[in-house]
Amino acid sequence: DTGVSQDPRHKITKRGQNVTFRCDPISEHNRLYWYRQTLGQGPEFLTYFQNEAQLEKSRLLSDRFSAERPKGSFSTLEIQRTEQGDSAMYLCASSLGTGGAKDAFFGQGTRLTVV
Amino acid sequence: AQSVAQPEDQVNVAEGNPLTVKCTYSVSGNPYLFWYVQYPNRGLQFLLKYITGDNLVKGSYGFEAEFNKSQTSFHLKKPSALVSDSALYFCAATRGTGTASKLTFGTGTRLQVTL
Repeated sequence: DTGVSQDPRHKITKRGQNVTFRCDPISEHNRLYWYRQTLGQGPEFLTYFQNEAQLEKSRLLSDRFSAERPKGSFSTLEIQRTEQGDSAMYLCASSLGTGGAKDAFFGQGTRLTVV
Repeated sequence: AQSVAQPEDQVNVAEGNPLTVKCTYSVSGNPYLFWYVQYPNRGLQFLLKYITGDNLVKGSYGFEAEFNKSQTSFHLKKPSALVSDSALYFCAATRGTGTASKLTFGTGTRLQVTL
């Protein structure tokens, strides 16, 4: 499968625990995006990387959230001290070169449930 | 700030009838516009996009959308609906520059096609 891959697909965690999600973009895509989708809402932009540089962060990305893309390939999104309000689908997308968001391909998402 | 509105939470249509899912946008300058479909517990699947050129855009699975600049709309259409089209549909927009980093999504419209 050469699409955007996200792991795990589902995660259930207790409130207060830390969780980490992984996204593997399409090979050679230098841009990588994270979005969050809560129930009944459309996806909301969280952050994006160009290669290993994190170039933009939404105000939605609180201090408990951190995203990395250390080698410009895969990315991780960590949530510390999870809260019930963090329950959502976390979507990753990638795109190539100067295409930007208009050429982004989305992964299947990681569904987080905080209990 | 850019925004996307999908005024209908749900659209019901009988199989074989034409369908329309409405979308209006607010974007500075020329927009790039998109439609995605989401099946339960899945990521976003790209349907079509408007970048420039012909106002009528044809996409996957027989869907099409018409860009109307004066009405700032980008309605999704299909001449003959199928039960398998039942899903959640999202309209999205971004600024019409190649380096635009994020998509802004509407809240989604659930399409229900019945026999």
